[in-house]
Amino acid sequence: LAKTTQPISMDSYEGQEVNITCSHNNIATNDYITWYQQFPSQGPRFIIQGYKTKVTNEVASLFIPADRKSSTLSLPRVSLSDTAVYYCLVGDGDNQGGKLIFGQGTELSVKP
Amino acid sequence: DTAVSQTPKYLVTQMGNDKSIKCEQNLGHDTMYWYKQDSKKFLKIMFSYNNKELIINETVPNRFSPKSPDKAHLNLHINSLELGDSAVYFCASSQVADTQYFGPGTRLTVL
Repeated sequence: LAKTTQPISMDSYEGQEVNITCSHNNIATNDYITWYQQFPSQGPRFIIQGYKTKVTNEVASLFIPADRKSSTLSLPRVSLSDTAVYYCLVGDGDNQGGKLIFGQGTELSVKP
Repeated sequence: DTAVSQTPKYLVTQMGNDKSIKCEQNLGHDTMYWYKQDSKKFLKIMFSYNNKELIINETVPNRFSPKSPDKAHLNLHINSLELGDSAVYFCASSQVADTQYFGPGTRLTVL
């Protein structure tokens, strides 16, 4: 079964870059690695997805090393509104094309 | 024009009762999911349906029974509710693998 590990919480200040790493072993070889953001009383919201190397969109970057045993979500210049819980999502290597596993979530707190 | 909707948003009930949560998506996606989020915010997949066919069925008590009347709907029926069933239940849908769109959640409280 795939196992994921994320820091439980992180603190930052407005304008800083924040990097959140998810360690994941035994993930499905053909599945993407995806990150979600969740605000209180809302459902998770898709941020970014990648397979290998680096992906960048308008809100974040995602760095995935060649061995795919971890992934790092990078949020440039965070603001107060980025305070949320961030989850990685991977496919289970024991269930190719099947079971999806969320990380435990990282609670990011951005201070003024 | 909500993409994934769930009803009800809040559900408070007594132990032993039977309840249902409904989910609808208007995104034209083929796959729908049910997740349970506990008080520690862990998100765990319960079921996944693709074109009305069950493809993921985690080790969930058989008191939980999903039903998909068509590919736009995935309902969750829970029999004989227990205290431990209290959680937030999220419905989601996707077309491309892993890019899921989540509903607003249903907060279930069992007394």
